[in-house]
Amino acid sequence: AQSVTQLGSHVSVSEGALVLLRCNYSSSVPPYLFWYVQYPNQGLQLLLKYTSAATLVKGINGFEAEFKKSETSFHLTKPSAHMSDAAEYFCAVSVQGNNRLAFGKGNQVVVIP
Amino acid sequence: DTAVSQTPKYLVTQMGNDKSIKCEQNLGHDTMYWYKQDSKKFLKIMFSYNNKELIINETVPNRFSPKSPDKAHLNLHINSLELGDSAVYFCASSLQLGGAGELFFGEGSRLTVL
Repeated sequence: AQSVTQLGSHVSVSEGALVLLRCNYSSSVPPYLFWYVQYPNQGLQLLLKYTSAATLVKGINGFEAEFKKSETSFHLTKPSAHMSDAAEYFCAVSVQGNNRLAFGKGNQVVVIP
Repeated sequence: DTAVSQTPKYLVTQMGNDKSIKCEQNLGHDTMYWYKQDSKKFLKIMFSYNNKELIINETVPNRFSPKSPDKAHLNLHINSLELGDSAVYFCASSLQLGGAGELFFGEGSRLTVL
């Protein structure tokens, strides 16, 4: 079954600095990859997704992620952190024909003024 | 107008009680889900319905019984609540079955079992 690994549950970043959240996937067939964000006391919302088109995917709020098959990675970046980026970020994977979206353990991002 | 709405937002109850959570989506989606988020924020799928038909039933105790009266609604009933059932339960929907679709989540229902 497919899975994703997110290392480091808490990530602290200074306001204006680069945000980098790492996600590595495991799948025996071509995956679909997603990043979701969860703000406090809210549900999850989609930031961006990779579905086998362009390997560099741009999402909402200035985030982007790059699919690298050779590294089985789908890392999320944002050039300049904003206070409003403080949230929980989840990487997730699914495959064609499978209705199960498997989530990573999440990264709690704290933005330091 | 909220796309995926769940009620209630908070439930506090005693062990052994029965409780229900209701979910409605107004997106016209065919597929609905229940996810459980534990205290460490880990999200795990519990059930998935497609057009009222049960598609996924993960290894969830049979005290949990989902019901989909129509494709816009998916309710979750929990019998004989246990301490370990304390979690946030999220309802979600997607346009159709298949791996590439975006999930739209409700705001969650926080269940606390005392």
